[in-house]
Amino acid sequence: KQEVTQIPAALSVPEGENLVLNCSFTDSAIYNLQWFRQDPGKGLTSLLLIQSSQREQTSGRLNASLDKSSGRSTLYIAASQPGDSATYLCAVAGRTALIFGKGTTLSVSS
Amino acid sequence: DGGITQSPKYLFRKEGQNVTLSCEQNLNHDAMYWYRQDPGQGLRLIYYSQIVNDFQKGDIAEGYSVSREKKESFPLTVTSAQKNPTAFYLCASSSAGGPVNNEQFFGPGTRLTVL
Repeated sequence: KQEVTQIPAALSVPEGENLVLNCSFTDSAIYNLQWFRQDPGKGLTSLLLIQSSQREQTSGRLNASLDKSSGRSTLYIAASQPGDSATYLCAVAGRTALIFGKGTTLSVSS
Repeated sequence: DGGITQSPKYLFRKEGQNVTLSCEQNLNHDAMYWYRQDPGQGLRLIYYSQIVNDFQKGDIAEGYSVSREKKESFPLTVTSAQKNPTAFYLCASSSAGGPVNNEQFFGPGTRLTVL
């Protein structure tokens, strides 16, 4: 059964720092991997989708990489801002639905 | 303005009551999903539907029921058989074929509390 793990569970950084969030999965037979952002009490906002045939995707200050063979993905956030404070969730696509990690809660201080 | 709407935002249920959570999408998506989120936990799949008039159980379907009579609507009923229903409920949708090739989009959620 697919399991998704995100480390660390929480991260605090000063504004301007570059940072990396980690996501690992146990079964490399995935169709794609999606990164989401969740603000407190809100729904999920899709950040990046990486297809299984791709190695990385970029959107603005965000860059996500995927290494299927090692079961890992990273989300790189450049020049972090207080507005980046949120919980970041990764999810891998099985045939019928997404399987989620528990998330990393990021706090960026000004 | 395309998107997914969920109502109500907050819902309170008494013991023994059934309650229904609404989910509507105007993205013309074929697939729709219900997830449950508990504090400090990842999202867990309750039910999903790939097409109208068809739906499948997810990992934690016990105590829940759904219907899919229209493409744009996928209501979730939390029955009295669900012993611990207090949670944040999220509805999602994606294009035909489900998550295999398609990005999944989420609604704003409904927070259900049992009194």
